[in-house]
Amino acid sequence: LAKTTQPISMDSYEGQEVNITCSHNNIATNDYITWYQQFPSQGPRFIIQGYKTKVTNEVASLFIPADRKSSTLSLPRVSLSDTAVYYCLVGDMDTGFQKLVFGTGTRLLVSP
Amino acid sequence: DAGVTQSPTHLIKTRGQQVTLRCSPKSGHDTVSWYQQALGQGPQFIFQYYEEEERQRGNFPDRFSGHQFPNYSSELNVNALLLGDSALYLCASRKRQGANTEAFFGQGTRLTVV
Repeated sequence: LAKTTQPISMDSYEGQEVNITCSHNNIATNDYITWYQQFPSQGPRFIIQGYKTKVTNEVASLFIPADRKSSTLSLPRVSLSDTAVYYCLVGDMDTGFQKLVFGTGTRLLVSP
Repeated sequence: DAGVTQSPTHLIKTRGQQVTLRCSPKSGHDTVSWYQQALGQGPQFIFQYYEEEERQRGNFPDRFSGHQFPNYSSELNVNALLLGDSALYLCASRKRQGANTEAFFGQGTRLTVV
């Protein structure tokens, strides 16, 4: 399973765009990149998943360069409620018995 | 859709005791995984169940055991509790095959061992 490295913490202000970059140098051919969000005392919540280039949904965008050794989660116009821990995970989503490997995540603090 | 539900939400046990945590997966999901999350850390994979069998296991001792029932619900059992077992225990469910197989997590059970 590919190891991921992401910043321990980030600070932002309401209305700003936040970009969290994750490094995964040993990503394998079959690996997908998945981001989860977690609020205190709650389970992680799926945000977005991608394999290459750019993926966008109603809450975030995921940018993946051609070499796939890193990825960037982009949160447009953050609000106070986006204060949470964000986890970048890399794994083979085609494997039926998928095991999610979490790192320590990035603690995002959004201030007024 | 109720999503993934876990019970109880909080639990206090004494060192050496045994505990059982329960999980009902999201409707349509057939695979259940359990994770342990210590304070300030990311969730750590314990094991995964599919078709009532343990399919994958993380680096946890045999004191941690589980079960999956025909209705896909699952239990996590921990014997001989240690103080270090205090954590948030998370259950995640997903569909093993098909589209949109991302894992959905429950709110967790906060276990405190005293």
